Amino acid sequence: EVQLLESGGGLVQPGGSLRLSCEASGFTFSSYAMSWVRQAPGKGLEWVSTISGSGGRSNYADSVTGRFTISRDNSKNTLYLQMNSLRAEDTAVYYCAKGRLLSGVDAFDIWGQGTMVTVSS
Amino acid sequence: DIVMTQTPLSSPVTLGQPASIPCRSSQSLVHSDGNTYLSWLQQRPGQPPRLLIYKISNRFSGVPDRFSGSGAGTDFTLKISRVEAEDVGVYYCMQATQFPYTFGQGTKLEIK
Repeated sequence: EVQLLESGGGLVQPGGSLRLSCEASGFTFSSYAMSWVRQAPGKGLEWVSTISGSGGRSNYADSVTGRFTISRDNSKNTLYLQMNSLRAEDTAVYYCAKGRLLSGVDAFDIWGQGTMVTVSS
Repeated sequence: DIVMTQTPLSSPVTLGQPASIPCRSSQSLVHSDGNTYLSWLQQRPGQPPRLLIYKISNRFSGVPDRFSGSGAGTDFTLKISRVEAEDVGVYYCMQATQFPYTFGQGTKLEIK
């Protein structure tokens, strides 16, 4: 069964850091681009970042550029999101999502259950 | 950035009746490779999003055939032929034609 399991969320003070993880199973992890998408409480979906299957290319939303870093360890089938200089507006459920295609992303076909990040003093 | 607009934000429907959810993009979603990377996702209450439709009209694995997608260029529609109780939730359109990927605000499907 194809599955994504996020972890690492929690309560952090403004200016603090957190690292999210997403463990994948049931598919050849290294063959697919992976992404992070977030959802603030009661709000819609916001794309955060995408990394290629090899890890050689990554893209970020302007709102997180310079503060967040996406990475992956294909030997561990795990995707990461290092979040620094956190702000209150980063409070959200963070989902990891799998790109549908072998060669890129045309849609996100598998989503994890999400991990909650709360930035507050 | 490509802005995805979904109106209305709420759509009350009667069980067994059809529903139609529109989505408009601020610019053409046709990629340089000729494909249009417009997808539809469903988010039931308390659940993560779930892919329904990709590349405008392709139903994802396991999605009931009462869901269909159509459109071209900048105007797209998700249709449910006969709404069932389990279809309650928020529906999002999303474009993956260019970075940053963007989502519509979501349309909440409610039962009358």
